[in-house]
Amino acid sequence: GAGVSQSPSNKVTEKGKDVELRCDPISGHTALYWYRQSLGQGLEFLIYFQGNSAPDKSGLPSDRFSAERTGGSVSTLTIQRTQQEDSAVYLCASSSRSATSGRLSEQYFGPGTRLTVT
Amino acid sequence: AQSVSQHNHHVILSEAASLELGCNYSYGGTVNLFWYVQYPGQHLQLLLKYFSGDPLVKGIKGFEAEFIKSKFSFNLRKPSVQWSDTAEYFCAVNRYSSASKIIFGSGTRLSIRP
Repeated sequence: GAGVSQSPSNKVTEKGKDVELRCDPISGHTALYWYRQSLGQGLEFLIYFQGNSAPDKSGLPSDRFSAERTGGSVSTLTIQRTQQEDSAVYLCASSSRSATSGRLSEQYFGPGTRLTVT
Repeated sequence: AQSVSQHNHHVILSEAASLELGCNYSYGGTVNLFWYVQYPGQHLQLLLKYFSGDPLVKGIKGFEAEFIKSKFSFNLRKPSVQWSDTAEYFCAVNRYSSASKIIFGSGTRLSIRP
């Protein structure tokens, strides 16, 4: 079946420009996550959606970063006035919730968007 | 705050050596536990998971992990590593809650010498 997809796969932008990154989660997955992975670094949590609401935005590095999710499905991560330190791979993941226990299941990751700010 | 610790940042082993990667978490309640792997140039994929039951969990490619509740640990093991196991390994924890997220450790880079 279809996994998590992200677009674009690569994005090169000039410093100061805005960028939009898109994530299509697995159909039916209620939870959606954005992470950032810099070269040689681990996963930096950015934001978590449950449905269309974001109960945890604690990882967004600054007010230049925002994200939304519509229809409980597609999500976009927007970075305004990009800076060189924003260069990284941006990963999206989705997961389902158990109907009985309410627990989140494992996350399924997309291939990521490699953002390069020049 | 809940945290996940992977104390080994970079592990270098020879082929056929045994592997154990440490993972400790700080939350004392009921948890789900995961190990993910990221091979060079590929995206993250699930290696194994623990939800309940037998604390010794078998995963893909000969990996296993043991949940020791008293030690808040979920260490990853493999009896005999191969060169193809070279990758980054991430431990992750989800505590039981209606609105909780999955928290990842900082990762352990495993390099296998052929």
